[in-house]
Amino acid sequence: AQTVTQSQPEMSVQEAETVTLSCTYDTSESDYYLFWYKQPPSRQMILVIRQEAYKQQNATENRFSVNFQKAAKSFSLKISDSQLGDAAMYFCAYSNTGNQFYFGTGTSLTVIP
Amino acid sequence: DVKVTQSSRYLVKRTGEKVFLECVQDMDHENMFWYRQDPGLGLRLIYFSYDVKMKEKGDIPEGYSVSREKKERFSLILESASTNQTSMYLCASSSPGGGRSPLHFGNGTRLTVT
Repeated sequence: AQTVTQSQPEMSVQEAETVTLSCTYDTSESDYYLFWYKQPPSRQMILVIRQEAYKQQNATENRFSVNFQKAAKSFSLKISDSQLGDAAMYFCAYSNTGNQFYFGTGTSLTVIP
Repeated sequence: DVKVTQSSRYLVKRTGEKVFLECVQDMDHENMFWYRQDPGLGLRLIYFSYDVKMKEKGDIPEGYSVSREKKERFSLILESASTNQTSMYLCASSSPGGGRSPLHFGNGTRLTVT
């Protein structure tokens, strides 16, 4: 079974600084997708960024980027120029071609003004 | 934008009650999911559905059932609520194709069973 591990239950970052959230996963498949989701205190989970495993280039969405290391099965999220609105719970997720998604336990990010 | 609507944000029910959590999506998505979210445990899949009248058990289906009579609506049913079912429940939907189509979530329902 696929597992997703987020080893940092809590992280904090100063406003305008950079923070990296870690995620590792376990799979024997070659075709899969990885995601980072953000859940602000208002609770609705929203997609931050998505990575296809067959693509070597790391995905980027504005201030959010990933470091995808396929051999190491690592998928970290870097948030640059952190803003107060980035404070949230962040979940790493894995999906194969079979319509199922597997989530990590989440990292709570605090942004310090 | 995809909209996934959960009928209640907060529910308080008594032990033994039958509880219905409703979820409606407006993007004609084939796939719909019910997750349970607990601190330190992340999201755990209860049930999912690939089509009308079709359902598949997830990782923690015990104590729950689901109904999907229409494509846009996916209901989670707690036949006899228990205190250990106090939790946040998240509904999600997606197009077919696995991870090619990301999940879209509702706002969540915080259920308290007393």
